[in-house]
Amino acid sequence: GQNIDQPTEMTATEGAIVQINCTYQTSGFNGLFWYQQHAGEAPTFLSYNVLDGLEEKGRFSSFLSRSKGYSYLLLKELQMKDSASYLCAVTNDYKLSFGAGTTVTVRA
Amino acid sequence: EAGVVQSPRYKIIEKKQPVAFWCNPISGHNTLYWYRQNLGQGPELLIRYENEEAVDDSQLPKDRFSAERLKGVDSTLKIQPAELGDSAVYLCASSPRTGENTEAFFGQGTRLTVV
Repeated sequence: GQNIDQPTEMTATEGAIVQINCTYQTSGFNGLFWYQQHAGEAPTFLSYNVLDGLEEKGRFSSFLSRSKGYSYLLLKELQMKDSASYLCAVTNDYKLSFGAGTTVTVRA
Repeated sequence: EAGVVQSPRYKIIEKKQPVAFWCNPISGHNTLYWYRQNLGQGPELLIRYENEEAVDDSQLPKDRFSAERLKGVDSTLKIQPAELGDSAVYLCASSPRTGENTEAFFGQGTRLTVV
């Protein structure tokens, strides 16, 4: 079975940094995705990790530790437009299994 | 370039009625997915197509759900008859090739409400 856990909600101030954690226990693993989803909109791709370590892409970074079944998404220099749900997803055998998502609210 | 297009955006039907959703993937994308997303949850895969072949339909409730992708391009997802528990957002996604590291591009979804 697939078990992917992330916090339900997080709140942060504009300009700050927020770290969204994701832990997973899955029957197989071929990589981990992070998607951003604004309310009522389509999920959009943020990052993909398959090897341990940190991937940096502008204000967003994603980290993976396969031995710990753990990933995090780091959002720096938060902007109001970053208010959204962030979905962690594990891929195995071409099947994406999503966590429930973390709703991030950015306050002025 | 146009993204994944879905229609309708919203649909309200009475229980026991049929309903169909349509998806036009990004041009050239061979892989097409249908997902269901319940409120406050992540998307759950219903079916995956490689061209016109359904290669993974293990999570599709086949007693009432059906899908087709006849020419390997557009796809339709049908529910007949609909139940109250089918209320959700139905997302279509496509990707350009088969690969574990290939990102999926999602449409905006069809929000279904069964009353």
